[in-house]
Amino acid sequence: QVQFVQSGAEVKKPGASVKVSCKASGYTFTNYGLHWVRQAPGQRLEWMGWLNAGNGDAKYSQRFQGRVTFTRDTSASTAYMELSSLISEDTSVYYCARSSYGWSLDSWGQGTLVTVSS
Amino acid sequence: QSALTQPASVSGSPGQSITISCTGTSSDVGGYNYVSWYQEYPGKAPKLMIYEVSNRPSGVSNRFSGSKSGNTASLTISGLQAEDEADYYCGSYRSSSTLHVFGTGTKVTVL
Repeated sequence: QVQFVQSGAEVKKPGASVKVSCKASGYTFTNYGLHWVRQAPGQRLEWMGWLNAGNGDAKYSQRFQGRVTFTRDTSASTAYMELSSLISEDTSVYYCARSSYGWSLDSWGQGTLVTVSS
Repeated sequence: QSALTQPASVSGSPGQSITISCTGTSSDVGGYNYVSWYQEYPGKAPKLMIYEVSNRPSGVSNRFSGSKSGNTASLTISGLQAEDEADYYCGSYRSSSTLHVFGTGTKVTVL
């Protein structure tokens, strides 16, 4: 079955960067896109962007443009999300999710908690 | 970027039907049949319940159904059960530099 395993929780200081990994299994990694979504404590889901796992092309939410980068390693079926210039408001659970019909997100990783604190 | 608008909370008794609305614009909900719905339990990852307005993924109960009229999409849960108590989010493709948007979220309470 389709499964995503994300990297573990991180604690970062303001101004630092964080890189979260998302390892896929159960399907052909390069045949599907991947979304990145975050959720601050007690807040709604927020879409960060989308990665074409086949060719590496990425589309970023305007809110994160210039501060986020999506990459992938096709040999390892793994996608990465790197967020820079962290501020306390970036404290959130970060999810990867597979892109399916009609831009729906049909399978999700377990989430990675990133805490930004001095 | 602005989120799609959902009611903060909806409640119902076991066995009843409830409907959650999701209001957007002609640039998202109204312009495309790319509306999806997600169920989220506290501390868990969201789960896809409906895609492309009204389609159910394999394994999702047929008590969940979706529809759309104009700029508003709706999720209906019929035969409400205790296990349906969760947060629900809509999502839609958006024709802007930000290609996808989620709703504000609705907490469903089973009385």
